[in-house]
Amino acid sequence: SAVISQKPSRDICQRGTSLTIQCQVDSQVTMMFWYRQQPGQSLTLIATANQGSEATYESGFVIDKFPISRPNLTFSTLTVSNMSPEDSSIYLCSVEQGNTEAFFGQGTRLTVV
Amino acid sequence: SQQGEEDPQALSIQEGENATMNCSYKTSINNLQWYRQNSGRGLVHLILIRSNEREKHSGRLRVTLDTSKKSSSLLITASRAADTASYFCATAAPPGNTPLVFGKGTRLSVIA
Repeated sequence: SAVISQKPSRDICQRGTSLTIQCQVDSQVTMMFWYRQQPGQSLTLIATANQGSEATYESGFVIDKFPISRPNLTFSTLTVSNMSPEDSSIYLCSVEQGNTEAFFGQGTRLTVV
Repeated sequence: SQQGEEDPQALSIQEGENATMNCSYKTSINNLQWYRQNSGRGLVHLILIRSNEREKHSGRLRVTLDTSKKSSSLLITASRAADTASYFCATAAPPGNTPLVFGKGTRLSVIA
């Protein structure tokens, strides 16, 4: 199984600022996924991040708002840019390993004030 | 767009009772997975059932899959207070297992 370390676990940010969330995996993985979970809601896929190429964004999410880096096979970052209160959510990174289950980080609880 | 729809949205039961949660989805799937989330934290994988399977067991968990109805159910038997959490079904379209599309989830409360 993969162990994922996600940082920060929570943050309170001022509107208009940006926050970068880090996701470190203890093994090499091809694809990493970033999800958003708005309060009381389910998870929505933001983008898929492959090493060495630009992330693939889902409908409703754009690179300018959620830039993603994937410098190697064990690490990725998601930046939430120019934040507004509507960005208050839990952000989770995820990986798949062994063609079975997905593994998740503990999430970053973001509050924008 | 959201693939799975769970019902009920919320379920409250007494300790020792069984809890049944249902999930419906819309398109062809490679497999269906159930996850658990405690207090808005990370998700924990519970069980995966492949599209060619009809039933699967893991401890106190029993999952069924009906591909003709595009539905699945998760049964937790002899529930415990520690089972209190949100439960999500997630599906992946062929050919792979990712990315996952999650249902809206069921909030289960088990009262001691």
